[in-house]
Amino acid sequence: NAGVMQNPRHLVRRRGQEARLRCSPMKGHSHVYWYRQLPEEGLKFMVYLQKENIIDESGMPKERFSAEFPKEGPSILRIQQVVRGDSAAYFCASSTQIPGQGVGAFFGQGTRLTVV
Amino acid sequence: QQQVKQSPQSLIVQKGGISIINCAYENTAFDYFPWYQQFPGKGPALLIAIRPDVSEKKEGRFTISFNKSAKQFSLHIMDSQPGDSATYFCAVLKGGATNKLIFGTGTLLAVQP
Repeated sequence: NAGVMQNPRHLVRRRGQEARLRCSPMKGHSHVYWYRQLPEEGLKFMVYLQKENIIDESGMPKERFSAEFPKEGPSILRIQQVVRGDSAAYFCASSTQIPGQGVGAFFGQGTRLTVV
Repeated sequence: QQQVKQSPQSLIVQKGGISIINCAYENTAFDYFPWYQQFPGKGPALLIAIRPDVSEKKEGRFTISFNKSAKQFSLHIMDSQPGDSATYFCAVLKGGATNKLIFGTGTLLAVQP
């Protein structure tokens, strides 16, 4: 049973390019959460999605950032026109549909985005 | 708006000693208090967690102590080992519709052999 899978593990983008980060939840999980970790800081919540629905995007920057979790395929976090301040590790977590159960138990290995 | 304060920022412990990391939170609506261990280049791994209806939970060498009235909880690592050297994060969760974790700023633990 594979865990939460994120790819790519490392991503380098030039300023102004787009970054696409992918997250495949654990088998049987229909809830996905994205977190961002700046160097030497804790993780900050970005967005919470269920299949085809955004439940809570209160942590998402208002511009350039978007997330989706389609009916089929992985969840995608998209950052348009990246800037150096977007350089960070982006982590995905998944859980089942049962409220509160297993939330935060399963994190992926992260995607480390570097903007040059 | 920092809702979880974690201390110390870094900690050096001798092998076999006790490592203690503390967290304080501001909102009484939280109902789940996990601790995570993170090694460089890896994702956070859930270590141990507690709900507010108990004051202590022990799993192996790891113990969470929870003080609901003081809105504080702590992680104790007994018989600390060099392999425990990592960054530790506390977090709080308010369940329900949002299910989002709020993390502390982390404690870098170094266990010296």
